[in-house]
Amino acid sequence: GAVVSQHPSWVICKSGTSVKIECRSLDFQATTMFWYRQFPKQSLMLMATSNEGSKATYEQGVEKDKFLINHASLTLSTLTVTSAHPEDSSFYICSAIQGWTEAFFGQGTRLTVV
Amino acid sequence: DAKTTQPPSMDCAEGRAANLPCNHSTISGNEYVYWYRQIHSQGPQYIIHGLKNNETNEMASLIITEDRKSSTLILPHATLRDTAVYYCRRTDKLIFGTGTRLQVFP
Repeated sequence: GAVVSQHPSWVICKSGTSVKIECRSLDFQATTMFWYRQFPKQSLMLMATSNEGSKATYEQGVEKDKFLINHASLTLSTLTVTSAHPEDSSFYICSAIQGWTEAFFGQGTRLTVV
Repeated sequence: DAKTTQPPSMDCAEGRAANLPCNHSTISGNEYVYWYRQIHSQGPQYIIHGLKNNETNEMASLIITEDRKSSTLILPHATLRDTAVYYCRRTDKLIFGTGTRLQVFP
C-alpha cells in the first residue's frame, strides 16, 4: 500500500517554543491531508483538513493560529504548533488520501512540552 | 448524529474468532466503511473496507448488514499480536469511531 512518512517520530520542546511536524506522501500525490491529535487512551480527534494550495479547514475548538497548517505541495503538509504549552503534549498523526476513499496514515509524532 | 459507535473493550481467547461490531446508523448510500487498528503509539493500520457486500482479505472479514447501519469486523483466528484498538470509520471527513480495545489472552 501507499506510504505516508511523518517526521519527527518524537520531539521534546520547551514551553513557549514552536514545533514543526512534517507529513509526506512518498509514492502518491495526496489531494487532501488530515491532521489528528490523540490523547492517552482516547480516539483520534480530527484537528483539520488541508488541501494543496488552499487554507486548511479547522474543526470546531481547534485554534487555527496555534496550529498552523501548510500544504504547499501534493506530497507535503506541515503542522506547526506555535508557542507550545504542556497541555499541547499529545500524539499527532497525519493522514493522506488519494481520491476520496482510502486513507493512509503516518506513524505519528509524540510531542512532549516541558 | 454522524458518529460511529463501538464497544469500548472486548476480550478474546487466542485462536478463537474475534467479532468487533460498529454502529453507523446515519451512513449515506455512497459511504464506505473502513476498519483500522492501532497498536500503542503507532499510526493506524488499514485492515479492510466495504460498501455493501461482505469482504474478506488476508487479515480479516467484514460483514455489513443489509441496511448498512452496522458492520462487524471478524478476525477468524485471533493471536496475541492482534491485541490493539480497532477503529471503524465512515468515508465522510475521516471521523473515527470511539474504538474497541481488543485484548487477546492465551
